Amino acid sequence: SAVISQKPSRDICQRGTSLTIQCQVDSQVTMMFWYRQQPGQSLTLIATANQGSEATYESGFVIDKFPISRPNLTFSTLTVSNMSPEDSSIYLCSARRQGFYNEQFFGPGTRLTVL
Amino acid sequence: AQTVTQSQPEMSVQEAETVTLSCTYDTSESDYYLFWYKQPPSRQMILVIRQEAYKQQNATENRFSVNFQKAAKSFSLKISDSQLGDAAMYFCAYRTSRSSNTGKLIFGQGTTLQVKP
Repeated sequence: SAVISQKPSRDICQRGTSLTIQCQVDSQVTMMFWYRQQPGQSLTLIATANQGSEATYESGFVIDKFPISRPNLTFSTLTVSNMSPEDSSIYLCSARRQGFYNEQFFGPGTRLTVL
Repeated sequence: AQTVTQSQPEMSVQEAETVTLSCTYDTSESDYYLFWYKQPPSRQMILVIRQEAYKQQNATENRFSVNFQKAAKSFSLKISDSQLGDAAMYFCAYRTSRSSNTGKLIFGQGTTLQVKP
C-alpha cells in the first residue's frame, strides 16, 4: 500500500487569502489527484496532477483558482486562491500507481474553513 | 458518461447482523473496475473491496462480499457479522480499465451506515 500525508490537517483562513496544501506519498506513484468533499457528501474531482506538466482540470475548476504543482513522483501541492466562504470544504489528495490492480489511495484530508 | 448511484443515504444494522448496501451504475463499456470505499469519521478513505468486470465470481474480503450483476449494472456490498467499527460512510466507485493509468474514479453519493450495539 501507499501512505499519503497532507499538511495542514486543518486551517481557518480569511476571505481573500490563499492556502497551499501539501501532499506527500511514501513511494513513487503514477498519478496524483485532488478532490473536494463537503462534510457528509461525495467526492468531487478537482484535477489530476501531472508530473512535469500542467494539471488536468475537471469542468468547473480552473487553474487560476486552484493552481497545482507536481514537481516529482511523490509530491504535489494544491493552492486555493482568493478564498471565499464557498471554498470551505475538505480537500483530499489521492494517488495511484501501476500494478496492485491500480489501487487508489487517499490522504487524510485537509479541512479548510474560510471566514 | 458513466454514473454511479447509491439510493440509500442512510442505513442501520444491529451489531452481529448482516446489511446490504446498494449501488447501481451506468456505462457503455464492457471492461471496468468497481470499488467500495469506507470513510469513517476520521475521514481516511479505505478500500474495502474491488471487482473486475470481466470476472464473474463475486469478490470477497473476510466479512465483506459483493453481489455483482453485470447485466443489471448492480454492485451491492454485503457486510456480515457487523461490528461497531463498520460504522462509516460507504462509497461505491467506478473506473474504466481501458485507460487504467488515466481513468478517473467516479463516486456515488455515499451511504452512511450506523451500527447499533
